[in-house]
Amino acid sequence: DTAVSQTPKYLVTQMGNDKSIKCEQNLGHDTMYWYKQDSKKFLKIMFSYNNKELIINETVPNRFSPKSPDKAHLNLHINSLELGDSAVYFCASSPGTSGAANTGELFFGEGSRLTVL
Amino acid sequence: QKEVEQNSGPLSVPEGAIASLNCTYSDRGSQSFFWYRQYSGKSPELIMSIYSNGDKEDGRFTAQLNKASQYVSLLIRDSQPSDSATYLCAVDDDKIIFGKGTRLHILP
Repeated sequence: DTAVSQTPKYLVTQMGNDKSIKCEQNLGHDTMYWYKQDSKKFLKIMFSYNNKELIINETVPNRFSPKSPDKAHLNLHINSLELGDSAVYFCASSPGTSGAANTGELFFGEGSRLTVL
Repeated sequence: QKEVEQNSGPLSVPEGAIASLNCTYSDRGSQSFFWYRQYSGKSPELIMSIYSNGDKEDGRFTAQLNKASQYVSLLIRDSQPSDSATYLCAVDDDKIIFGKGTRLHILP
């Protein structure tokens, strides 16, 4: 029974297109995240939601728009895709918000590999 | 800009030896520290967390924290080929910040 699941696992698309990635967690966690891992394997936070409320919004182009319909789901929509958007996007969840106990215990999905041609 | 620094490696260690992975962080106020392991093509998984100065042991893994030196390390005893992976140091600083990871290669 998958704890954090993302779809799709692979995305290949042309520049300028719009795409979405969906994430669901069944761990009962309050906080969900989107991370981007580039070709050099650097894992960088993009967004964080706590119980549907946006709490972290890093310096990310506004072409990226997260949405959390409920605390178990966090989606990522990307408009006007660019070559530099090619990366693996990881969804993650944690029991609480940053700063509280055990909040660094992130549970990651399998990742969605986006290739922009 | 808060940073977490790691040597990218690769770090090559003979099977059965001790692998030592190091990490430094910039924010002196950080309180929580983590080590994640990521196999090639897979997602990161938490292997150790440490919150207070000193050593914390879990099986073959020992995490060491020195807040005065802003330094955290991970020791892997009796290294196995299955330990070959990228190890990511992470610091909880209002958000979880990751280092760029150290690639570890255990030589059979």
